[in-house]
Amino acid sequence: AQKITQTQPGMFVQEKEAVTLDCTYDTSDPSYGLFWYKQPSSGEMIFLIYQGSYDQQNATEGRYSLNFQKARKSANLVISASQLGDSAMYFCAMREMNYGGATNKLIFGTGTLLAVQP
Amino acid sequence: EPEVTQTPSHQVTQMGQEVILRCVPISNHLYFYWYRQILGQKVEFLVSFYNNEISEKSEIFDDQFSVERPDGSNFTLKIRSTKLEDSAMYFCASSAGDLSNEKLFFGSGTQLSVL
Repeated sequence: AQKITQTQPGMFVQEKEAVTLDCTYDTSDPSYGLFWYKQPSSGEMIFLIYQGSYDQQNATEGRYSLNFQKARKSANLVISASQLGDSAMYFCAMREMNYGGATNKLIFGTGTLLAVQP
Repeated sequence: EPEVTQTPSHQVTQMGQEVILRCVPISNHLYFYWYRQILGQKVEFLVSFYNNEISEKSEIFDDQFSVERPDGSNFTLKIRSTKLEDSAMYFCASSAGDLSNEKLFFGSGTQLSVL
């Protein structure tokens, strides 16, 4: 069964510092995708970054990078140079490869609430 | 950038009443989803929809729930007889494809409160 684990319910970081949000996953499928979404207090879900299971390099999107360690089944999100606007809930999610043409659901972790302090 | 839009942003209803939550997915997307998030809990999958039929649903999506794409642009979630435990934020999402690397675009959600 798919499972996403985020062990940090909350994190504090000083403005301009880097922070790592942990995510581990469990799947028996060799092909899968890992996603991070940001949910600010306004409620919307904002896509941040994607990592494919066969990608050789860690994904990067601006200040966001994904520390992907396949053998450990971890996909930690690194936010560099934190800004006050980064304060939000962050969700890790996984989607397994679709072979049969039917859609597959995105499974979310419980989230990490990040607070950036001035 | 194109976006998924949801209406209303807030819905208050009495227990036992029917509600319809509305969504306009991104226009060239083919796959549509509903998720919900009970306050303080994680986001849960409800249902996925492709080619005018449900392609996958969770155990949460029982006979009280239904989805429909009544025209070429709207995607709706109906709850026939709401219960207190249906109170949650409901997110609509869409994607262009269904491979594992397809990112889902989410709407801003409808906060449903059942009294």
